[in-house]
Amino acid sequence: AQSVTQLDSQVPVFEEAPVELRCNYSSSVSVYLFWYVQYPNQGLQLLLKYLSGSTLVKGINGFEAEFNKSQNSFHLRKPSVHISDTAEYFCAVIPMNRDDKIIFGKGTRLHILP
Amino acid sequence: NAGVMQNPRHLVRRRGQEARLRCSPMKGHSHVYWYRQLPEEGLKFMVYLQKENIIDESGMPKERFSAEFPKEGPSILRIQQVVRGDSAAYFCASSPSGGQKYGYTFGSGTRLTVV
Repeated sequence: AQSVTQLDSQVPVFEEAPVELRCNYSSSVSVYLFWYVQYPNQGLQLLLKYLSGSTLVKGINGFEAEFNKSQNSFHLRKPSVHISDTAEYFCAVIPMNRDDKIIFGKGTRLHILP
Repeated sequence: NAGVMQNPRHLVRRRGQEARLRCSPMKGHSHVYWYRQLPEEGLKFMVYLQKENIIDESGMPKERFSAEFPKEGPSILRIQQVVRGDSAAYFCASSPSGGQKYGYTFGSGTRLTVV
């Protein structure tokens, strides 16, 4: 079975400051990894994904994430946040080589302070 | 190319009534997933369907909840005899066959309120 832990339920950060949202996962099999973003009263939108290859992946809106296999982590970063980044961010995994479903973390709410 | 369409966006039901939530997947997508979102709990998997088949319903409550994805028409999540605890946002997602690793496409959700 797989599980995803997002260590921070809320992260306040000043506008134009850098941010890191942490994600750790547990799985007995290899997984693909995702970050999704949910703006208020909307559905989830794929931000970026890691399938294979370079451990640093770039996504939309200036976000990037780094896969660290030894630490089972997939932290999300942005060098300079904007007020429009206010949203909830979900880390997720799905097993490779298997017809299965995506498992989500509980989410991290990003508050941008003016 | 329309995305995943869910309707209604908002649904209010009295305790004991039935709720029907509809989901039309993206064109070309044959896999449908339903998730429930409660505040502070993230998204909880409910059920995974392919056309006319339930593949995984391990997240569905044993009673009152059912789902289908018929050969023609949208996927339906049905909740019978709703209770206040069923109030939540229900999201549908879809993916093409073999395309799960690229991530799902989500609908905008149905927000169910039980009064």
